[in-house]
Amino acid sequence: QVHLVQSGAEVKKPGSSVMVSCESFGGTFSVYGFSWVRQVNGQGLEWMGGIIPVFGTPNYAQKFQDRVRISAGEDSDTANMELSDLRPGDTAVYYCARESKGNFYYGMDVWGQGTMVTVPS
Amino acid sequence: QSVLTQPPSASGTPGQRITISCSGSSSNIGSNIVNWYQQVPGTAPKLLMDSDNQRPSGVPDRFSGSKSGTSASLAIRGLQSEDEADYYCSTWDDRLNGRVFGTGTKVTVL
Repeated sequence: QVHLVQSGAEVKKPGSSVMVSCESFGGTFSVYGFSWVRQVNGQGLEWMGGIIPVFGTPNYAQKFQDRVRISAGEDSDTANMELSDLRPGDTAVYYCARESKGNFYYGMDVWGQGTMVTVPS
Repeated sequence: QSVLTQPPSASGTPGQRITISCSGSSSNIGSNIVNWYQQVPGTAPKLLMDSDNQRPSGVPDRFSGSKSGTSASLAIRGLQSEDEADYYCSTWDDRLNGRVFGTGTKVTVL
């Protein structure tokens, strides 16, 4: 059974960057793709962007496009999300999720466990 | 700030039927399929409904989805205590060129 494992919690200073990784086990994501979703302090879900390896170019949400970089590993079983210029408002749980049908229209059917990123004020 | 609006809360007694609405516009729900996610606090979201009304494997048939125009709905019949969670609708927005989520609805089983 496919599952995603994310890197551990991070505490970062304002203005710095953080990279969160996501590795798939039990299946390859090259035909699916990844998205990144964050959740601030138990609030709602927010899509940051994603990548479909077969298409190559990441797609970013307008809100994050100047600060986020999403990449897929060469084996396409890993994905990384780097968020720069961190602010206290970026304190959140960051999730990676598999795009079930290789595009951003259908559902995300496998989720990582989440990574807590804290940016103290 | 979300472009998809949901009621903040919904509740019912065990066995009842409840519905959760999701209101959008022509650039999102009106043009694209809707997915629903269930999230128990402290855990990752789970895909509950795909392609407007398709249940992924393992999702009970007590859950059903529908869509009409620029609105979508999730119905839960035979409400159970384990259904207590937050529910989010989601779709693609052609104008924003990105995925969008609803504001979320907290379901309470009385």
